[in-house]
Amino acid sequence: NAGVTQTPKFQVLKTGQSMTLQCAQDMNHEYMSWYRQDPGMGLRLIHYSVGAGITDQGEVPNGYNVSRSTTEDFPLRLLSAAPSQTSVYFCASRTRTPLYGYTFGSGTRLTVV
Amino acid sequence: GESVGLHLPTLSVQEGDNSIINCAYSNSASDYFIWYKQESGKGPQFIIDIRSNMDKRQGQRVTVLLNKTVKHLSLQIAATQPGDSAVYFCAALTQGGSEKLVFGKGTKLTVNP
Repeated sequence: NAGVTQTPKFQVLKTGQSMTLQCAQDMNHEYMSWYRQDPGMGLRLIHYSVGAGITDQGEVPNGYNVSRSTTEDFPLRLLSAAPSQTSVYFCASRTRTPLYGYTFGSGTRLTVV
Repeated sequence: GESVGLHLPTLSVQEGDNSIINCAYSNSASDYFIWYKQESGKGPQFIIDIRSNMDKRQGQRVTVLLNKTVKHLSLQIAATQPGDSAVYFCAALTQGGSEKLVFGKGTKLTVNP
């Protein structure tokens, strides 16, 4: 049981480039979310999904897109990378009724130069 | 806006002592609370949760107390060990709401041998 798997673990992008951060969970969790973690800011919600085909914006959605075509996968797309998007990104999932909170992946450290 | 805050950014204790980490939240509609532990380079790891219909919950060496009157919760770690050294986050969720898990900024716990 792998839990929440994020790839890649590290990425360096040039300003203006696009990329997709991958997230997959094998726990059949309905809810999935993307967070970014910046020093002194805690974790902030980017986008979330309550089921396949359903997504919504979180606190800091600008510059990011998501889709949820399957229960297992929830990719995060950076449309045109900016230095302000340098951060650590975490994907998380949970059951419909919260049990043990959210399960987090190990993160993707992204640097935009 | 909605916020979750921790009272102290750092806490240093001696091995074997009890640790108490405090957290305040602003949204009285929050009904599910989680404490996470984050070690360097890793994603947040679930420690313990509590629902708003409870005021205390115990786990292995950890206890969470919830005071809804003053919107405060605390994490108590008994007999703190060097392996407990990490950053601890509290988070609050309003079920059926925006799915926004609001995180505090974290308290870094250092356990001295």
